Amino acid sequence: SQTIHQWPATLVQPVGSPLSLECTVEGTSNPNLYWYRQAAGRGLQLLFYSVGIGQISSEVPQNLSASRPQDRQFILSSKKLLLSDSGFYLCAWSPPISGILSSYNEQFFGPGTRLTVL
Amino acid sequence: LAKTTQPISMDSYEGQEVNITCSHNNIATNDYITWYQQFPSQGPRFIIQGYKTKVTNEVASLFIPADRKSSTLSLPRVSLSDTAVYYCLGDNFNKFYFGSGTKLNVKP
Repeated sequence: SQTIHQWPATLVQPVGSPLSLECTVEGTSNPNLYWYRQAAGRGLQLLFYSVGIGQISSEVPQNLSASRPQDRQFILSSKKLLLSDSGFYLCAWSPPISGILSSYNEQFFGPGTRLTVL
Repeated sequence: LAKTTQPISMDSYEGQEVNITCSHNNIATNDYITWYQQFPSQGPRFIIQGYKTKVTNEVASLFIPADRKSSTLSLPRVSLSDTAVYYCLGDNFNKFYFGSGTKLNVKP
């Protein structure tokens, strides 16, 4: 069975410090990978998605970046955190799409990382 | 890409059927409609997905009219544990966009 891991679970960082959040998936190959951010009481904002190693698409311009150094590893980074970066960060995966009409593209979410920037 | 609109919140009582409607006027021909459930401090969990007409699984039903410009998630006989935020989204290939969702509050 497939599992998705995220760490750390919680993180408190000062403004201007760097960030590295890691996400790994087990039990599947060539998954689509996603990073979302959720501010308190808000919906999920798609930050980045990846369909393969080294292939990253950014949805929202900001001081964050993402990398996919291995097939099942997705990393979210920042060189200098802002107060507005605080939130709940979620990694997700979905099976790779085949064909024009995707018949099965359910996303599976990790446990999330609660980031507080002070 | 389908943008979605759904009520911010709904109240219900245990044992009632709850229907949450979502509008997606600009849904594309190849977009599916998917609903997720999210509890506090957890990632969303897939509930149901459909393309047209009616889909039913062990936890919910999804009704999609012929024009596909809206969809209704139906939760039969809700319990307190169904208190959560429910999101509808129209997905396009690899992209998924979650709106603010509908906060369902189930009362005893």
